[in-house]
Amino acid sequence: SQELEQSPQSLIVQEGKNLTINCTSSKTLYGLYWYKQKYGEGLIFLMMLQKGGEEKSHEKITAKLDEKKQQSSLHITASQPSHAGIYLCGADIRGTYKYIFGTGTRLKVLA
Amino acid sequence: SAVISQKPSRDICQRGTSLTIQCQVDSQVTMMFWYRQQPGQSLTLIATANQGSEATYESGFVIDKFPISRPNLTFSTLTVSNMSPEDSSIYLCSVVPDFQETQYFGPGTRLLVL
Repeated sequence: SQELEQSPQSLIVQEGKNLTINCTSSKTLYGLYWYKQKYGEGLIFLMMLQKGGEEKSHEKITAKLDEKKQQSSLHITASQPSHAGIYLCGADIRGTYKYIFGTGTRLKVLA
Repeated sequence: SAVISQKPSRDICQRGTSLTIQCQVDSQVTMMFWYRQQPGQSLTLIATANQGSEATYESGFVIDKFPISRPNLTFSTLTVSNMSPEDSSIYLCSVVPDFQETQYFGPGTRLLVL
């Protein structure tokens, strides 16, 4: 079945360090979405990527989608404690808005 | 975007009972979804609850266990019936605003079944 592989599963970084989270699919995606979740809470939408090679940035977070639309990365520059949480990639694989999600990356930023 | 609220935010229930979760959106939307997030796991789609049609359930989820209502374009309910401890999860509703392509999520309902 279609799955999204997300890595790493967890990450602990010192404040100010850069980090990258990856999301990989075995199939071409209609759209790739990044969300952030605080422990036990809902999902906060970060970015949407739809075109091969697309790159978007918001504040210190940059997300990229490869040309084949099968792999995405989320890069945080100069991390801060406010970046801590669970980052989830979600994908629309059939163009139906029925998302599948990666397993999540739990990020902790040490002050 | 869309602002979504859910009630209750959390609950502790006894096995065998049922709980109805409400999802309210600040604008009219056609497409609405219900997800489950079991402890330590990612989200799994339960069903699609588009207004004007019967809810459609994903594999492994049935209407008798998770009945859904969608009476209008701003509101939906999900009932978790005859609960067991395995139903302990966060339940989230989400919407895709009309003419948009991004899905927005509610804050979730955290359910613990004893």
